[in-house]
Amino acid sequence: GAGVSQTPSNKVTEKGKYVELRCDPISGHTALYWYRQSLGQGPEFLIYFQGTGAADDSGLPNDRFFAVRPEGSVSTLKIQRTERGDSAVYLCASSLVGGSGLTEAFFGQGTRLTVV
Amino acid sequence: QQQVKQSPQSLIVQKGGISIINCAYENTAFDYFPWYQQFPGKGPALLIAIRPDVSEKKEGRFTISFNKSAKQFSLHIMDSQPGDSATYFCAASTTSGTYKYIFGTGTRLKVLA
Repeated sequence: GAGVSQTPSNKVTEKGKYVELRCDPISGHTALYWYRQSLGQGPEFLIYFQGTGAADDSGLPNDRFFAVRPEGSVSTLKIQRTERGDSAVYLCASSLVGGSGLTEAFFGQGTRLTVV
Repeated sequence: QQQVKQSPQSLIVQKGGISIINCAYENTAFDYFPWYQQFPGKGPALLIAIRPDVSEKKEGRFTISFNKSAKQFSLHIMDSQPGDSATYFCAASTTSGTYKYIFGTGTRLKVLA
């Protein structure tokens, strides 16, 4: 596709349930990021993939959060035993990391997660 | 040391006026400073970015001013238009390592017609 695609756009789940959020990055982009944005706040870093491996997962808040990118393209953010405090917009971004380093990161429209 | 502090939290400007948003950082390893624009229900979109080897970068009505010694950078929007009404985020990153962006808390800009 032309841009970063995230599905679903909205997800409502009950407290304690398991959810998966999907991100399709721009084709050919090797770097993929997950961010969480709470209302009125800036995006908060969760995890960064370079290819298939998680190069930096220092932003994951606890072990209920996990992300994978098995083939170096699509990524899934998984949240176990959801809590009401997990409610936020989850943003995915991708970029092409070249020889000169970082290039522009393109964001998807986000998945709005509501835990009730 | 990873924080990026952004001000003001909100800003109201008359059409045709200049909007100025400021950011400050602590980590001297940061060497890439983008500004993102976000409309309600949309993801952030890159507006303009600067690296610390220059003190100013201009693209159309948008200018970044960068002060490396003060560890501050700012976004100036000239001839502000109602269509510029959005939330603006500054960010900082390194061009080596994990490339993660650290975002400011955002400035909600409203341009009055």
